[in-house]
Amino acid sequence: ELKVEQNPLFLSMQEGKNYTIYCNYSTTSDRLYWYRQDPGKSLESLFVLLSNGAVKQEGRLMASLDTKARLSTLHITAAVHDLSATYFCAVDIYNTDKLIFGTGTRLQVFP
Amino acid sequence: ETGVTQSPTHLIKTRGQQVTLRCSSQSGHNTVSWYQQALGQGPQFIFQYYREEENGRGNFPPRFSGLQFPNYSSELNVNALELDDSALYLCASSPEPDRGYYGYTFGSGTRLTVV
Repeated sequence: ELKVEQNPLFLSMQEGKNYTIYCNYSTTSDRLYWYRQDPGKSLESLFVLLSNGAVKQEGRLMASLDTKARLSTLHITAAVHDLSATYFCAVDIYNTDKLIFGTGTRLQVFP
Repeated sequence: ETGVTQSPTHLIKTRGQQVTLRCSSQSGHNTVSWYQQALGQGPQFIFQYYREEENGRGNFPPRFSGLQFPNYSSELNVNALELDDSALYLCASSPEPDRGYYGYTFGSGTRLTVV
Protein backbone atom coordinates (compact mmCIF):
# COMPACT_ATOMS: atom_id res chain seq x y z
CA GLU A 1 0.00 0.00 0.00
CA LEU A 2 1.36 3.36 -0.99
CA LYS A 3 1.89 5.66 1.97
CA VAL A 4 2.84 9.31 1.91
CA GLU A 5 4.17 10.87 5.08
CA GLN A 6 4.94 14.49 5.76
CA ASN A 7 6.86 16.06 8.56
CA PRO A 8 6.47 18.09 10.49
CA LEU A 9 2.70 17.98 10.87
CA PHE A 10 2.67 21.41 12.39
CA LEU A 11 5.18 24.19 11.95
CA SER A 12 5.19 27.50 13.71
CA MET A 13 7.87 29.81 12.44
CA GLN A 14 8.89 33.40 12.73
CA GLU A 15 8.79 35.74 9.79
CA GLY A 16 12.10 35.92 7.99
CA LYS A 17 13.19 32.42 8.94
CA ASN A 18 13.85 29.45 6.65
CA TYR A 19 12.48 25.97 7.01
CA THR A 20 11.93 22.73 5.08
CA ILE A 21 8.93 20.42 4.92
CA TYR A 22 9.65 16.79 4.06
CA CYS A 23 7.51 14.35 2.11
CA ASN A 24 8.41 10.65 2.08
CA TYR A 25 6.56 8.04 0.06
CA SER A 26 6.71 4.29 0.13
CA THR A 27 6.73 3.11 -3.47
CA THR A 28 8.14 4.04 -6.82
CA SER A 29 6.68 7.13 -8.39
CA ASP A 30 8.10 9.88 -10.52
CA ARG A 31 5.23 12.32 -10.18
CA LEU A 32 4.86 14.41 -7.11
CA TYR A 33 2.70 17.44 -6.47
CA TRP A 34 2.59 20.13 -3.85
CA TYR A 35 -0.62 21.90 -2.94
CA ARG A 36 -1.57 24.70 -0.64
CA GLN A 37 -4.88 24.82 1.21
CA ASP A 38 -6.25 27.79 3.14
CA PRO A 39 -8.83 27.09 5.86
CA GLY A 40 -12.16 26.06 4.39
CA LYS A 41 -10.85 26.39 0.85
CA SER A 42 -9.93 24.05 -1.96
CA LEU A 43 -6.47 22.99 -3.08
CA GLU A 44 -4.19 25.36 -4.95
CA SER A 45 -1.53 23.74 -7.10
CA LEU A 46 1.98 24.93 -6.26
CA PHE A 47 4.42 22.59 -8.00
CA VAL A 48 4.43 19.61 -10.32
CA LEU A 49 7.63 17.54 -10.11
CA LEU A 50 7.98 14.93 -12.83
CA SER A 51 11.48 13.53 -12.71
CA ASN A 52 14.34 12.69 -10.42
CA GLY A 53 16.28 15.79 -9.50
CA ALA A 54 13.48 18.16 -10.50
CA VAL A 55 13.64 21.50 -8.74
CA LYS A 56 11.06 24.25 -9.06
CA GLN A 57 10.86 27.64 -7.42
CA GLU A 58 8.12 30.18 -7.07
CA GLY A 59 8.70 33.20 -4.89
CA ARG A 60 9.75 32.09 -1.41
CA LEU A 61 8.97 28.42 -2.04
CA MET A 62 11.21 25.85 -3.67
CA ALA A 63 10.37 22.19 -4.20
CA SER A 64 12.64 19.30 -5.12
CA LEU A 65 12.26 15.62 -5.87
CA ASP A 66 14.61 12.69 -5.26
CA THR A 67 12.89 9.61 -6.66
CA LYS A 68 15.67 7.28 -5.54
CA ALA A 69 15.26 8.32 -1.93
CA ARG A 70 11.48 8.65 -2.42
CA LEU A 71 11.69 12.09 -0.90
CA SER A 72 10.46 15.53 -1.81
CA THR A 73 11.15 18.74 0.04
CA LEU A 74 9.41 22.08 0.15
CA HIS A 75 11.77 24.79 1.29
CA ILE A 76 10.52 28.08 2.62
CA THR A 77 12.85 31.07 2.43
CA ALA A 78 12.36 34.17 4.58
CA ALA A 79 8.82 33.27 5.57
CA VAL A 80 6.07 35.85 5.55
CA HIS A 81 2.64 35.74 7.18
CA ASP A 82 0.89 35.20 3.84
CA LEU A 83 2.47 31.76 3.61
CA SER A 84 0.41 30.56 6.58
CA ALA A 85 -1.66 27.62 5.28
CA THR A 86 -1.67 23.84 5.15
CA TYR A 87 0.67 22.28 2.61
CA PHE A 88 0.10 18.85 1.11
CA CYS A 89 2.30 16.69 -1.03
CA ALA A 90 0.64 14.09 -3.24
CA VAL A 91 2.01 11.17 -5.21
CA ASP A 92 0.50 9.80 -8.41
CA ILE A 93 -0.29 6.09 -8.20
CA TYR A 94 1.74 4.54 -11.00
CA ASN A 95 1.10 7.53 -13.25
CA THR A 96 -2.65 6.97 -13.34
CA ASP A 97 -3.79 10.44 -12.23
CA LYS A 98 -4.95 8.99 -8.91
CA LEU A 99 -3.30 10.87 -6.10
CA ILE A 100 -2.32 9.74 -2.64
CA PHE A 101 -2.00 12.74 -0.35
CA GLY A 102 0.25 13.20 2.60
CA THR A 103 -0.98 14.08 6.04
CA GLY A 104 -0.41 17.77 5.48
CA THR A 105 1.80 20.30 7.23
CA ARG A 106 0.05 23.17 8.90
CA LEU A 107 2.30 26.20 8.67
CA GLN A 108 1.83 29.22 10.88
CA VAL A 109 4.08 32.24 10.37
CA PHE A 110 4.13 34.85 13.12
CA PRO A 111 5.79 38.27 13.33
CA GLU B 1 -11.33 28.72 -20.26
CA THR B 2 -13.53 27.81 -17.30
CA GLY B 3 -12.20 26.00 -14.28
CA VAL B 4 -13.74 23.15 -12.33
CA THR B 5 -17.05 24.03 -10.73
CA GLN B 6 -18.82 22.11 -8.01
CA SER B 7 -22.31 22.36 -6.61
CA PRO B 8 -23.69 22.84 -4.09
CA THR B 9 -21.06 24.55 -1.95
CA HIS B 10 -22.61 23.46 1.32
CA LEU B 11 -25.10 20.76 2.21
CA ILE B 12 -26.63 19.42 5.40
CA LYS B 13 -28.18 15.96 5.36
CA THR B 14 -29.61 13.58 7.90
CA ARG B 15 -28.07 10.18 8.61
CA GLY B 16 -29.55 7.55 6.30
CA GLN B 17 -30.40 9.99 3.52
CA GLN B 18 -28.91 10.06 0.05
CA VAL B 19 -26.95 12.91 -1.53
CA THR B 20 -25.79 13.87 -5.02
CA LEU B 21 -22.86 16.19 -5.60
CA ARG B 22 -22.03 17.65 -8.99
CA CYS B 23 -18.87 18.63 -10.81
CA SER B 24 -18.26 20.32 -14.14
CA SER B 25 -14.80 19.61 -15.43
CA GLN B 26 -12.47 22.16 -16.93
CA SER B 27 -12.91 22.75 -20.62
CA GLY B 28 -10.99 20.14 -22.63
CA HIS B 29 -10.68 17.72 -19.71
CA ASN B 30 -12.33 14.31 -20.02
CA THR B 31 -11.17 12.75 -16.75
CA VAL B 32 -12.73 13.52 -13.39
CA SER B 33 -11.58 12.26 -10.01
CA TRP B 34 -13.36 12.62 -6.69
CA TYR B 35 -11.74 12.99 -3.29
CA GLN B 36 -13.02 13.08 0.28
CA GLN B 37 -11.29 15.30 2.79
CA ALA B 38 -12.28 14.84 6.41
CA LEU B 39 -11.52 17.67 8.79
CA GLY B 40 -7.82 17.90 9.59
CA GLN B 41 -6.81 15.21 7.10
CA GLY B 42 -5.49 14.97 3.57
CA PRO B 43 -7.83 14.23 0.68
CA GLN B 44 -8.54 10.56 -0.03
CA PHE B 45 -9.15 9.23 -3.53
CA ILE B 46 -12.71 7.93 -4.02
CA PHE B 47 -12.84 7.09 -7.73
CA GLN B 48 -12.05 8.34 -11.20
CA TYR B 49 -14.16 8.53 -14.35
CA TYR B 50 -12.79 8.57 -17.87
CA ARG B 51 -15.06 8.75 -20.90
CA GLU B 52 -18.11 7.85 -18.81
CA GLU B 53 -16.57 4.70 -17.28
CA GLU B 54 -15.18 4.18 -13.81
CA ASN B 55 -11.41 4.06 -14.13
CA GLY B 56 -10.19 3.13 -10.70
CA ARG B 57 -11.56 3.23 -7.20
CA GLY B 58 -10.15 3.87 -3.77
CA ASN B 59 -11.07 2.18 -0.51
CA PHE B 60 -14.67 3.34 -0.31
CA PRO B 61 -17.81 1.19 0.07
CA PRO B 62 -20.28 0.64 -2.80
CA ARG B 63 -22.70 3.17 -1.36
CA PHE B 64 -20.34 5.72 -2.91
CA SER B 65 -21.12 5.71 -6.62
CA GLY B 66 -20.65 8.02 -9.54
CA LEU B 67 -21.53 8.94 -13.05
CA GLN B 68 -19.88 10.82 -15.85
CA PHE B 69 -21.92 12.35 -18.63
CA PRO B 70 -21.10 12.84 -22.34
CA ASN B 71 -20.11 16.45 -21.62
CA TYR B 72 -17.62 15.04 -19.03
CA SER B 73 -19.42 16.53 -16.06
CA SER B 74 -19.78 14.13 -13.16
CA GLU B 75 -21.87 13.24 -10.15
CA LEU B 76 -20.95 11.65 -6.85
CA ASN B 77 -23.78 9.84 -5.11
CA VAL B 78 -23.66 8.66 -1.53
CA ASN B 79 -26.42 6.44 -0.17
CA ALA B 80 -27.31 5.67 3.43
CA LEU B 81 -25.31 8.60 4.77
CA GLU B 82 -23.31 8.09 7.92
CA LEU B 83 -21.97 10.70 10.31
CA ASP B 84 -18.41 9.90 9.16
CA ASP B 85 -19.34 10.96 5.63
CA SER B 86 -19.19 14.56 6.83
CA ALA B 87 -16.31 16.03 4.86
CA LEU B 88 -15.22 18.34 2.07
CA TYR B 89 -15.71 16.60 -1.27
CA LEU B 90 -13.38 17.72 -4.01
CA CYS B 91 -13.36 16.91 -7.67
CA ALA B 92 -10.40 17.30 -9.95
CA SER B 93 -10.18 17.16 -13.71
CA SER B 94 -7.35 16.35 -16.06
CA PRO B 95 -7.02 16.11 -19.85
CA GLU B 96 -6.55 12.32 -20.02
CA PRO B 97 -5.46 9.63 -17.60
CA ASP B 98 -1.69 9.60 -17.41
CA ARG B 99 -1.50 13.27 -18.31
CA GLY B 100 -0.69 14.38 -14.82
CA TYR B 101 2.17 16.43 -16.06
CA TYR B 102 -0.37 19.08 -16.78
CA GLY B 103 -1.30 19.10 -13.13
CA TYR B 104 -4.75 18.78 -11.79
CA THR B 105 -7.40 21.43 -11.41
CA PHE B 106 -9.46 21.08 -8.26
CA GLY B 107 -12.90 22.51 -7.77
CA SER B 108 -13.80 24.61 -4.78
CA GLY B 109 -15.45 21.65 -3.09
CA THR B 110 -18.76 20.74 -1.48
CA ARG B 111 -18.89 20.78 2.30
CA LEU B 112 -21.23 17.97 3.39
CA THR B 113 -22.45 17.80 6.97
CA VAL B 114 -24.36 14.73 8.12
CA VAL B 115 -26.37 15.14 11.30
